[in-house]
Amino acid sequence: DAGVIQSPRHEVTEMGQEVTLRCKPISGHNSLFWYRQTMMRGLELLIYFNNNVPIDDSGMPEDRFSAKMPNASFSTLKIQPSEPRDSAVYFCASSKTGASNYGYTFGSGTRLTVV
Amino acid sequence: AQKVTQAQTEISVVEKEDVTLDCVYETRDTTYYLFWYKQPPSGELVFLIRRNSFDEQNEISGRYSWNFQKSTSSFNFTITASQVVDSAVYFCALSEARGATNKLIFGTGTLLAVQP
Repeated sequence: DAGVIQSPRHEVTEMGQEVTLRCKPISGHNSLFWYRQTMMRGLELLIYFNNNVPIDDSGMPEDRFSAKMPNASFSTLKIQPSEPRDSAVYFCASSKTGASNYGYTFGSGTRLTVV
Repeated sequence: AQKVTQAQTEISVVEKEDVTLDCVYETRDTTYYLFWYKQPPSGELVFLIRRNSFDEQNEISGRYSWNFQKSTSSFNFTITASQVVDSAVYFCALSEARGATNKLIFGTGTLLAVQP
């Protein structure tokens, strides 16, 4: 199993540009989570999906952020337009949830720098 | 609402010392799961343990042990005979079991520095 795959690993972009982060969850996992990690706010849950449907996006900071999961094997987190305060590490995680909770597997993260 | 508190921001110990990382949680649910993750300097999040709310047995895995006490809503993590490689940020996390979707909420983490 290749685990949760995120791309790119690093992204440097200029303020105002659109940024798209990608995630491929583990095959068979039915839940997907996007987290953001900063020194000031720690690990924040931005949005999560169950069976490709967004369940809770209350953690999305503002309208500049959007996430999609068009199928069970792919999700994107888009920031448009990006701002310097969006600089952070973004993690994707997947889980097989249902009657029990089998735990969460995290990707290696995307380090985003907005200059 | 669910909440995880890790009151210790940073801990520094000398190699071979034992160290305990504290975790206190809040939840309204009777069914929930607790986790510990390790984040080494390389940045990845490494799963350490999962515990459900119905299993209060303490667990030991090598130099690691976990003490789950529902009466005090705590899930503490002890490293025995610490090593430099244990230096990392450790996160405690909580997931409430609500139907088919279980979001994971993290504490703020404890930075453990093990000095040689």
